[in-house]
Amino acid sequence: EVQLLESGGGLVQPGGSLRLSCEASGFTFRSYAMSWVRQAPGKGLEWVSVISDSGGTIYYADSVKGRFTISRDNSKNTLFLQMNSLRAEDTALYYCVKGPSVALLDYWGQGTLVTVSS
Amino acid sequence: DIQMTQSPSSLSASVGDRVTITCRASQGISNYLAWYQQRPGKVPKFLIYAASTLQSGVPSRFSGSGSGTDFTLTISSLQPEDVATYYCQKYNRAPFTFGPGTKVNIK
Repeated sequence: EVQLLESGGGLVQPGGSLRLSCEASGFTFRSYAMSWVRQAPGKGLEWVSVISDSGGTIYYADSVKGRFTISRDNSKNTLFLQMNSLRAEDTALYYCVKGPSVALLDYWGQGTLVTVSS
Repeated sequence: DIQMTQSPSSLSASVGDRVTITCRASQGISNYLAWYQQRPGKVPKFLIYAASTLQSGVPSRFSGSGSGTDFTLTISSLQPEDVATYYCQKYNRAPFTFGPGTKVNIK
């Protein structure tokens, strides 16, 4: 059974940083692309970033480019999202998502909540 | 970047009704279109890819169609468990933008 367990969310002041982690199990992590998708409270889904299975291909949404960095450690089955220069509009539930491909999203974690507020 | 729109933003229908949701891309995306279902309080579920291919385990009352800029998701006979918000997503190239969602309720 695919399991994705996010952690690292919390309350941070504007301009601050957070590092999200996602521990994966139940599948061969190193063989699949992984993504981050966020959802602001009461709002729709927003695609954030994706990293290919090897880490050689990475894409970001324009809204986070230059501020967020996605990475993975295939030896530890873990996905990361380093978030810097956080803004109020980054407040959201951040989902870790497995992809059957770089673009698609087939298994979703339960999410970790990031709140940016002073 | 390509923008995605959906219509209607919400709808109410009776159990057993045929429901159709439209997704439109601001530029052609061939058939690189996926659909996701998010039930209230739950994580999204992957329904359809390549505009019309059902993900394994998805009930056959769901179907998708379209190519280019105009796409539809159809529920042939609405069931109570289909109450959810449905999102389209384009994936021809990054950014892999979602539509704003269509909320489906039971009348």
